[in-house]
Amino acid sequence: GAVVSQHPSRVICKSGTSVKIECRSLDFQATTMFWYRQFPKQSLMLMATSNEGSKATYEQGVEKDKFLINHASLTLSTLTVTSAHPEDSSFYICSARVRRGPEAFFGQGTRLTVV
Amino acid sequence: AQSVTQLGSHVSVSEGALVLLRCNYSSSVPPYLFWYVQYPNQGLQLLLKYTTGATLVKGINGFEAEFKKSETSFHLTKPSAHMSDAAEYFCAVTLGALAGKSTFGDGTTLTVKP
Repeated sequence: GAVVSQHPSRVICKSGTSVKIECRSLDFQATTMFWYRQFPKQSLMLMATSNEGSKATYEQGVEKDKFLINHASLTLSTLTVTSAHPEDSSFYICSARVRRGPEAFFGQGTRLTVV
Repeated sequence: AQSVTQLGSHVSVSEGALVLLRCNYSSSVPPYLFWYVQYPNQGLQLLLKYTTGATLVKGINGFEAEFKKSETSFHLTKPSAHMSDAAEYFCAVTLGALAGKSTFGDGTTLTVKP
């Protein structure tokens, strides 16, 4: 089946620094990737939709300057949390949609802790 | 617009008992429906999906779900629970093959008692 690799799985950073999270589709081309944020014991909240070669579409209330998304190729999307603060600590998950299909495959998630 | 309601944030069953996790959706167009499982500090794994065709869908690990349009439901079942089934389960709906963006329910925590 389709495999999505997310890296790193865990990261701890200091307040004020930036962190980059990578999402790769390993065995298929993903024209669209999605970035979600999940708080403890809660559901997934869609942050943005990333289309290859174009600007990401952010959901209402998500700061585009805070959460920079780049989808430079059909197999890689990155999320950069800029000037991270403790309230940005969360579990971030990406998913990639198979071309011409409704199904999206999920990465393993990244646990971000800002200290 | 689309939405998903998972009835029961926590479900507890005994090992070997029937598992029933409820999911109701609302959608203005024919939906694509999914069930995912999430283990602690991990991403989501697809259990099964309904797109078109047969309304009873079988998935991995012995799970199945039935799409009932008249009831706008997509409940997840497993005849006999196993300890390893203890996890968080999410129901999701996607509108159309080209949309891809899913709306998730709030999740149901399944506990399996020995």
